[in-house]
Amino acid sequence: GQNIDQPTEMTATEGAIVQINCTYQTSGFNGLFWYQQHAGEAPTFLSYNVLDGLEEKGRFSSFLSRSKGYSYLLLKELQMKDSASYLCAVVDSNYQLIWGAGTKLIIKP
Amino acid sequence: KAGVTQTPRYLIKTRGQQVTLSCSPISGHRSVSWYQQTPGQGLQFLFEYFSETQRNKGNFPGRFSGRQFSNSRSEMNVSTLELGDSALYLCASSSGTSGHPEIDTQYFGPGTRLTVL
Repeated sequence: GQNIDQPTEMTATEGAIVQINCTYQTSGFNGLFWYQQHAGEAPTFLSYNVLDGLEEKGRFSSFLSRSKGYSYLLLKELQMKDSASYLCAVVDSNYQLIWGAGTKLIIKP
Repeated sequence: KAGVTQTPRYLIKTRGQQVTLSCSPISGHRSVSWYQQTPGQGLQFLFEYFSETQRNKGNFPGRFSGRQFSNSRSEMNVSTLELGDSALYLCASSSGTSGHPEIDTQYFGPGTRLTVL
């Protein structure tokens, strides 16, 4: 079966750095997305990785290792507004999006 | 550009009833996907429409159906509602310019929260 694993919940301190991991087992791979979802709101796009390596976008970076079936989202200089759920999704060989259950990130002052 | 809109935002129904949810994509977007979101389950893919054709379908029973109109607006219908259908139903649109809408960035609407009593 197809599976996306993410930690259910993480806690970090304002101003710190946090890494949210995502591991996947899917039938084929055509890219990996990270989305941010604030409570009661729609998910919003953060990043898309299809090649191995690190992509940096401001305070957020996303890393992919296809051979390990692994990705992480790195958030630097955490702000209170970063408190949200972070969703990992993989595009499989049939071009279907397989979603993880999401990681709820709690930022403390 | 206006974002993805969904109506209604909230809905309360009873078991056995049916419901129709509506989604208007971003202007120019031809792909519309529907998802069910429940706590702890993440997003579950329902189906995806592109140019009025269903291109992909998730593992949901036949009670869940959808359609897309020529203006790319989409509707989702759930018949014979069950308690377990209570969820947030999200619609997402993408441009489809890559040839594979699934790898285009998806823009989500605010969702319709359905409660089945």
